Amino acid sequence: AQSVTQPDIHITVSEGASLELRCNYSYGATPYLFWYVQSPGQGLQLLLKYFSGDTLVQGIKGFEAEFKRSQSSFNLRKPSVHWSDAAEYFCAVALLAGGGNKLTFGTGTQLKVEL
Amino acid sequence: SQTIHQWPATLVQPVGSPLSLECTVEGTSNPNLYWYRQAAGRGLQLLFYSVGIGQISSEVPQNLSASRPQDRQFILSSKKLLLSDSGFYLCAWSVLGGRSSPLHFGNGTRLTVT
Repeated sequence: AQSVTQPDIHITVSEGASLELRCNYSYGATPYLFWYVQSPGQGLQLLLKYFSGDTLVQGIKGFEAEFKRSQSSFNLRKPSVHWSDAAEYFCAVALLAGGGNKLTFGTGTQLKVEL
Repeated sequence: SQTIHQWPATLVQPVGSPLSLECTVEGTSNPNLYWYRQAAGRGLQLLFYSVGIGQISSEVPQNLSASRPQDRQFILSSKKLLLSDSGFYLCAWSVLGGRSSPLHFGNGTRLTVT
């Protein structure tokens, strides 16, 4: 069965510093991967997705992610973090079943930004 | 543009009471619809998904049920709530199609069962 692991539960970075959030997946076929962000008490917003082509994908809010098949990873990065980036981040892998696109999510990484 | 509405935003219900959470999508037709639950400190668990009116797939045996009476309406229900039903419930939609279609989430309902 497919699974997603986000090894870091909490990460704290200083504003202006670079950021990398880790995501490892387990999936038998070509993975379709997503990163979402969730502000407190809100729904999830899509940051970026990967399903083919260039292994470095650009998303909204200055985020990017790199797909590395050999490492089964899809890490999220941002060169310079802003205080407004403090939120919870979720990595997900998609499984198509019965016509529905079922996403399996990691347990999330809580990002704190120090001013 | 497409929008998704969930209500209520928060709900406090006693154990044993019924539940009805509603979700509607505007600006698209024949969407896939999903209910997820997010427990404190945990990831998101898929509860139900639907690819069409009256078509419901259940992912986890539990105290909840879902219905899709109209194309863009998805309802999550329970006849008798348990304490363990507390959590943050998220509705989502996606375009009918393949795995590249991202899910778009509503703002969620915070359910507290007392």
